[in-house]
Amino acid sequence: SQQGEEDPQALSIQEGENATMNCSYKTSINNLQWYRQNSGRGLVHLILIRSNEREKHSGRLRVTLDTSKKSSSLLITASRAADTASYFCATDGGNTPLVFGKGTRLSVIA
Amino acid sequence: GAGVSQSPSNKVTEKGKDVELRCDPISGHTALYWYRQRLGQGLEFLIYFQGNSAPDKSGLPSDRFSAERTGESVSTLTIQRTQQEDSAVYLCASSLAEIRDRDNFPLHFGNGTRLTVT
Repeated sequence: SQQGEEDPQALSIQEGENATMNCSYKTSINNLQWYRQNSGRGLVHLILIRSNEREKHSGRLRVTLDTSKKSSSLLITASRAADTASYFCATDGGNTPLVFGKGTRLSVIA
Repeated sequence: GAGVSQSPSNKVTEKGKDVELRCDPISGHTALYWYRQRLGQGLEFLIYFQGNSAPDKSGLPSDRFSAERTGESVSTLTIQRTQQEDSAVYLCASSLAEIRDRDNFPLHFGNGTRLTVT
């Protein structure tokens, strides 16, 4: 069963703007991961945040985690057309395979 | 190769036929996963292999689905008597780590096999 639920389902922004995607989940986790998928390709790992972390940065990516609300957000700053892709959160419960959400389709318009 | 390789990239088959999908993981990766992705949906876990341990088959949707892996190398996913509902992209991923050690070793995905059952 799917645990992570991303929102919004689709997001369209202008190049240079920031994009924020949210993920909610239901059960306790060891870590939460974000992946990116370009059309017709496999998923690529972007960033992992552990359950005892609240915020993490990697380049133009910023991830936050609120375990009390069981939610995470992915912020992409200064977006580029090349950021156009689907973004998935995946929750890691520790002893089970990663559970993926349905994803957010991001379109960045040049 | 440097990444996870899946073949074929596309497969069209008639309802009722059997299909076999192949995954070549990254060399040295002990963990291998199969996921299914229906159009516009997230990933649905199918099966997980870790070294010589018994595979976790808890995600296989029916007994028409089976998978094998020889040691830490190639895996094949077999779907018998295919149905139209089996149409999806089948993604394989590999990792250096066991499930409990995944903090430091994320999944590496292949580009998938797009299966169409007519």
